Amino acid sequence: GAVVSQHPSWVICKSGTSVKIECRSLDFQATTMFWYRQFPKQSLMLMATSNEGSKATYEQGVEKDKFLINHASLTLSTLTVTSAHPEDSSFYICSARRGQMGLVGDNEQFFGPGTRLTVL
Amino acid sequence: GDSVTQMEGPVTLSEEAFLTINCTYTATGYPSLFWYVQYPGEGLQLLLKATKADDKGSNKGFEATYRKETTSFHLEKGSVQVSDSAVYFCALNIIQGAQKLVFGQGTRLTINP
Repeated sequence: GAVVSQHPSWVICKSGTSVKIECRSLDFQATTMFWYRQFPKQSLMLMATSNEGSKATYEQGVEKDKFLINHASLTLSTLTVTSAHPEDSSFYICSARRGQMGLVGDNEQFFGPGTRLTVL
Repeated sequence: GDSVTQMEGPVTLSEEAFLTINCTYTATGYPSLFWYVQYPGEGLQLLLKATKADDKGSNKGFEATYRKETTSFHLEKGSVQVSDSAVYFCALNIIQGAQKLVFGQGTRLTINP
């Protein structure tokens, strides 16, 4: 159990276009989902935290108008990279947490396989 | 703020060698500690975790003990295999608010046959 999928697994797009990445929890309801960005040979950088039905909370330095996050249901969150440019090329990883905020115990995050975005 | 520091890589070992990857942390309170593994081109998989001091997490021959007195969570394996080649991330969860994960910089491990 606790499987998280991402779609697409890789995408190539032209500069100036928008790209949507989906993150789904397949066998559990995720009250919270996280979006990370990973540059080659580097660690994961948290971009934003999203809770179902509310606006995402972005980390400092992340442009919320460029990286649109929608957490429309308990099993789906989407990240849209708007007007993508070559510097947005990266590996984007989502994770989902099954537990509820404030409850210590089930705080484990389950990670998706990642989406590699290449902007030409 | 909360942070995780990992041993710098890359680490290259021969098959059946003993592995240690050091991890120390700085945190407010008592976070849970995790080791994640990332195989080439894939996302992260939880390898093991420990939720309180002196807990030992173990999985697939890997072990790590939550040491509060030294604020450490070193990863060990007695005999590594070629299939263990991957990037390993140490992480802690921030227990306030959204309980975000804070990752170390990752350690790339290569095992040669």
